[in-house]
Amino acid sequence: AQSVAQPEDQVNVAEGNPLTVKCTYSVSGNPYLFWYVQYPNRGLQFLLKYITGDNLVKGSYGFEAEFNKSQTSFHLKKPSALVSDSALYFCAVRAPGSGAGSYQLTFGKGTKLSVIP
Amino acid sequence: EAEVAQSPRYKITEKSQAVAFWCDPISGHATLYWYRQILGQGPELLVQFQDESVVDDSQLPKDRFSAERLKGVDSTLKIQPAELGDSAMYLCASGGGSYNEQFFGPGTRLTVL
Repeated sequence: AQSVAQPEDQVNVAEGNPLTVKCTYSVSGNPYLFWYVQYPNRGLQFLLKYITGDNLVKGSYGFEAEFNKSQTSFHLKKPSALVSDSALYFCAVRAPGSGAGSYQLTFGKGTKLSVIP
Repeated sequence: EAEVAQSPRYKITEKSQAVAFWCDPISGHATLYWYRQILGQGPELLVQFQDESVVDDSQLPKDRFSAERLKGVDSTLKIQPAELGDSAMYLCASGGGSYNEQFFGPGTRLTVL
């Protein structure tokens, strides 16, 4: 069974400082990894994904994530945090494969990011 | 930009009443998902459709929940009767593209009194 761990319930960072939101995963085979962001009373918005290739992937709003196979991690990063980045961030994983049954995502419990002015 | 539509956005009901949620996926997306998200937690899959067929409903409480996607396009999730523990955000997502990337709707916030 696949799983995702987001070890921090909350991350606080000052505006302008770099931010990191941590994610580790467990899955059979090479993972497909995703980050989503959720604002209050809204659905999840896709930020970025890792499927294959370069370990550093760039996504929306200046976010990037680094895939580390040996550490089974996929940490979300941004060089300079904005107050508007304050939200709930979810990491998700799925196993590779064909067929509709393989498409399911397993989500972490989320990390609340607060950017302090 | 195409989006997943959901309605209503908010629903307040009393326990033992019936509620229904509607989802219209992004055009052309064959895969549709319903998730339940309890406050402070990540989304949990309730049911997955591929076109009009159910792929996985193993986490759907079938004694009170039902879901359908009759023509393989829009979908309805029903709860009857609602219980206090059903209070949550209900999210719909549709999947498309090479890796069946999921796109989420705005969700329906259900409060059961």
